[in-house]
Amino acid sequence: GESVGLHLPTLSVQEGDNSIINCAYSNSASDYFIWYKQESGKGPQFIIDIRSNMDKRQGQRVTVLLNKTVKHLSLQIAATQPGDSAVYFCAEFINQAGTALIFGKGTTLSVSS
Amino acid sequence: ETGVTQTPRHLVMGMTNKKSLKCEQHLGHNAMYWYKQSAKKPLELMFVYNFKEQTENNSVPSRFSPECPNSSHLFLHLHTLQPEDSALYLCATRGAGGSNEQFFGPGTRLTVL
Repeated sequence: GESVGLHLPTLSVQEGDNSIINCAYSNSASDYFIWYKQESGKGPQFIIDIRSNMDKRQGQRVTVLLNKTVKHLSLQIAATQPGDSAVYFCAEFINQAGTALIFGKGTTLSVSS
Repeated sequence: ETGVTQTPRHLVMGMTNKKSLKCEQHLGHNAMYWYKQSAKKPLELMFVYNFKEQTENNSVPSRFSPECPNSSHLFLHLHTLQPEDSALYLCATRGAGGSNEQFFGPGTRLTVL
């Protein structure tokens, strides 16, 4: 079946470093992607999104890159801070499949001072 | 805060109990979702409601029964659950228009003994 997955379950970085979290998706019909951040004890929180007609989108300290050729999505966090420690999920939306997002398993980002 | 609240935040119940989870949104959104989040697994979509009508039931066992009495409230009624149903249950909403972003509540941490 179709799936969205992340390459690494955990990522540890030093404060101030740049972080890159990767996600692979398998459905070429996906036309919208979201990155969510989930802190302990909280629900997922929207970080940034990108549509399939774009290959890059920037937010505040975050950049999402989309490579449709290899079905790969990445989230780059600049100058990572301890407050960035959380689980990060990618999610895809397939317009023809209804109104639900399909989520990956998540990468746990740990930032040490 | 995302504008989506869930109660209770924590629930412990026996396999013979009946309980209900409540989700309330103040965003004026038309679509509401129940997800199950288990450790080491992606978010699993359970139910989708659009304009108070159930549009998706993702092969969820009948011991889970959703109810959407109005556009601001969503319930998940629980009856004769199993220990493997222990998980974080998340409610999410999505507005009309072009955005597919979903706004999540903080979740209810359910433990079935």
